[in-house]
Amino acid sequence: GNSVTQMEGPVTLSEEAFLTINCTYTATGYPSLFWYVQYPGEGLQLLLKATKADDKGSNKGFEATYRKETTSFHLEKGSVQVSDSAVYFCALPLSQGGSQGNLIFGKGTKLSVKP
Amino acid sequence: KAGVTQTPRYLIKTRGQQVTLSCSPISGHRSVSWYQQTPGQGLQFLFEYFSETQRNKGNFPGRFSGRQFSNSRSEMNVSTLELGDSALYLCASSLVWTGGVYGYTFGSGTRLTVV
Repeated sequence: GNSVTQMEGPVTLSEEAFLTINCTYTATGYPSLFWYVQYPGEGLQLLLKATKADDKGSNKGFEATYRKETTSFHLEKGSVQVSDSAVYFCALPLSQGGSQGNLIFGKGTKLSVKP
Repeated sequence: KAGVTQTPRYLIKTRGQQVTLSCSPISGHRSVSWYQQTPGQGLQFLFEYFSETQRNKGNFPGRFSGRQFSNSRSEMNVSTLELGDSALYLCASSLVWTGGVYGYTFGSGTRLTVV
């Protein structure tokens, strides 16, 4: 099956700093790639996704580009806010042709943003 | 519209007991997936259901079982609880099995503690 490796944290940044969270994957074919976010005490929320190579997913100032050459999907944000403090997960379908309901997740990166 | 509802939110059980967790998907959603989240193992896929049929099952022992009803509500059951079953159990639902354009929406989870 597919696999994912995600930069582990925790990551602590000051407000307005630049954020990068690295994610690389191993997969058969070209699966859709996802970033999810989990705020304290809550479930997961889909942050952004990309469905094919060179696609750029974006949402709430976050961006990630599907790089098939480097099998990467790094999450970036130019200026983080305190409200971005959360755990971020990179994910892809567990198997080739698998559904979005059967995902393999990275270990998660906890981001803390200080005012 | 209402989101994915998981009940109960918190649960404390004794080792050896069994437990049933419930998930009510978003109205109209026919696909439901379950995940287990622990600090050590992270997010792991449990089951995936569509129209009352189990589509996929993760690598969990037979003590973990699930089902989906005709109204798309889903339950998961864990028998003979072990301390290691303590986790946040997350349910997610989608209109279609593959996830489609909108993907899966997660509930807030049920926090199970086994003592």
